[in-house]
This record gives sequence, structure tokens and C-alpha cells, in this order.
Amino acid sequence: AAGVIQSPRHLIKEKRETATLKCYPIPRHDTVYWYQQGPGQDPQFLISFYEKMQSDKGSIPDRFSAQQFSDYHSELNMSSLELGDSALYFCASSLGGTGPTDTQYFGPGTRLTVL
Amino acid sequence: KQEVTQIPAALSVPEGENLVLNCSFTDSAIYNLQWFRQDPGKGLTSLLLIQSSQREQTSGRLNASLDKSSGRSTLYIAASQPGDSATYLCAVRGSNDYKLSFGAGTTVTVRA
Repeated sequence: AAGVIQSPRHLIKEKRETATLKCYPIPRHDTVYWYQQGPGQDPQFLISFYEKMQSDKGSIPDRFSAQQFSDYHSELNMSSLELGDSALYFCASSLGGTGPTDTQYFGPGTRLTVL
Repeated sequence: KQEVTQIPAALSVPEGENLVLNCSFTDSAIYNLQWFRQDPGKGLTSLLLIQSSQREQTSGRLNASLDKSSGRSTLYIAASQPGDSATYLCAVRGSNDYKLSFGAGTTVTVRA
């Protein structure tokens, strides 16, 4: 079965650079979520989109922005990167923002290293 | 703000023993609860999802229970195997949220 696809899988950037992470949800899924997992930490919610509109917002820095496109894929844009942004970034998708079977399926993650 | 706690933080058992992993949450107004497995440096694999109206869910050797009123869920893994070694995370979705709030996880080691 198709899963959530994230690209790139690994990314190395210098401080103050910009990074763009991409997420392709499971086909027919209309909701996308972004999470950040620092070393040894549990995943922290950043932002989510349902039908291309922002549906929920967590502890996402102002330097980060995200959007969901007409084909439901999503991009997380990160500017002025800091050392503390080094983490595993997960994208998850689900069918129906508040449906009865809205299991969130996670992608493999993008490991971002900021030097 | 929802706080999710998992106890113990780590667990080591001999192969064949049953595993009991605990999760507690502070706000009982939840929509659902999910259990995940995470191998080191890898992604999150969804194991079970329990809706707020359900008491338990089963999948193979896995059984998860939910007591919403007391803010607790338990994941049981029967007849553990070395391949079950991983970190298990509990995550709660609030009634008015889209996001999942995660616990810190329980790292399980099953000794052959």
C-alpha cells in the first residue's frame, strides 16, 4: 500500500540558510500534519492543513511557513536556520480532518542537520 | 494543555514475557488515542488507534485498552520477541484538535 512520501530524506544546511521539506500524502488523504522530533525528544506538532486550509497550529517558529497545494502535497519552508532546528521532521496524513477513522500515518521523516 | 506521560521510560524483559506499557493523559476530553512504534532513527509506525468511545482494540499480539475517565491507556504485547524491541509512543488527539500530543515513549528491549 502507498505510504506517505517525504523528500529529501536527509538535508544538511548551514546556519542562516533556507530549507524546503516536501510531503506527499497517501492518495485520497486530505489532511497533512507536520511534526518536529529533536534528538531524544518526543514529536512536537508544528502545523496541519485540511483541504488546503490551515487547520491547527502548534509551536511553529515564525521563521517557518507551510502550505498545502491543490494536489494535497505540502511543503514546509524554513528560513534563517539555527542549530536548534536540527531534528527529524515528520509529515503525517489522514483521511478527513475529524472523521471516525482518522488514523494519522507517518512518513519516514526528513533528517535536517544545521551546521 | 494536554500532558501525556509514559511509564516506565525503559523496560527490559526476556523473550516470551508479556509486555505492559502504560500511558496517562491529563485532559480526558480526547477524540482518540494512538499507539506507535519507533525504531532508532526511523519513522513512526501506527500500531493501534482507539476512538474515545471504545474500550479496547486488538491486533494480533497487541491489545490496547482505554479508560478515558481516568486518563489511562495500556498497551499489552503478548509473548514478546526480540523483534519487538523498539520505542513505543502513545499519542492523544483532543476533542477540538487536529494535532497529536505525544508521550516521551517507553523503550523496550526483549532479550533473546
